[in-house]
Amino acid sequence: QLQLQESGPGLVKPSETLSLTCTVSGGSISSSSYYWGWIRQPPGKGLEWIGSIYYSGSTYYNPSLKSRVTISVDTSKNQFSLKLSSVTAADTAVYYCARHYSDDAFDIWGQGTMVTVSS
Amino acid sequence: QSALTQPASVSGSPGQSITISCTGTSSDVGSYNLVSWYQQHPGKAPKLMIYEVSKRPSGVSNRFSGSKSGNTASLTISGLQAEDEADYYCCSYAGSSTFWVFGGGTKLTVL
Repeated sequence: QLQLQESGPGLVKPSETLSLTCTVSGGSISSSSYYWGWIRQPPGKGLEWIGSIYYSGSTYYNPSLKSRVTISVDTSKNQFSLKLSSVTAADTAVYYCARHYSDDAFDIWGQGTMVTVSS
Repeated sequence: QSALTQPASVSGSPGQSITISCTGTSSDVGSYNLVSWYQQHPGKAPKLMIYEVSKRPSGVSNRFSGSKSGNTASLTISGLQAEDEADYYCCSYAGSSTFWVFGGGTKLTVL
């Protein structure tokens, strides 16, 4: 069955760029039915949607993070990626990748990866 | 401050029913039948339990049900079991400017 797996550095310095990749296995990221998103969860806090991408490259972002976020897709590797620039301690969180239909629910999630912003 | 408002905690005894509310606005919950609910056990990824207000994904127990009235959505869990103890989050589509908003989460304790 479809699985998602996040990967990337667990520690990022303040003001630098956080970079994560989500690898999709058991299915194609190029499926016309689905979008691919990033969601984060600071320690002990709730969930926050970061942004999503379609396999064609169309993106949409959380307005509160839009100026710092870039999401891209590599269909040849069945992966999509997140870049978050100028990070601060407030960006410390577990970052999840997830699949969703257009404007519908996030039905399959990766296990999540913890990213700490600290010098 | 989360966009959707949920109670911080609810509790119930095994076999009982509980309901978790999720209050939004006319721009999100009130405008779209695109409310979803997620269960999250400690250290685990969220799991989709309800989508499109009241639909259950394959494999989710029919003890879980969802509804909506106006700007408030609700998740009801009947026949509480120990394994239901977890955090629950609601989420709503909020249009093509904001897209998705989540609630702050509700901790369910099974007494």
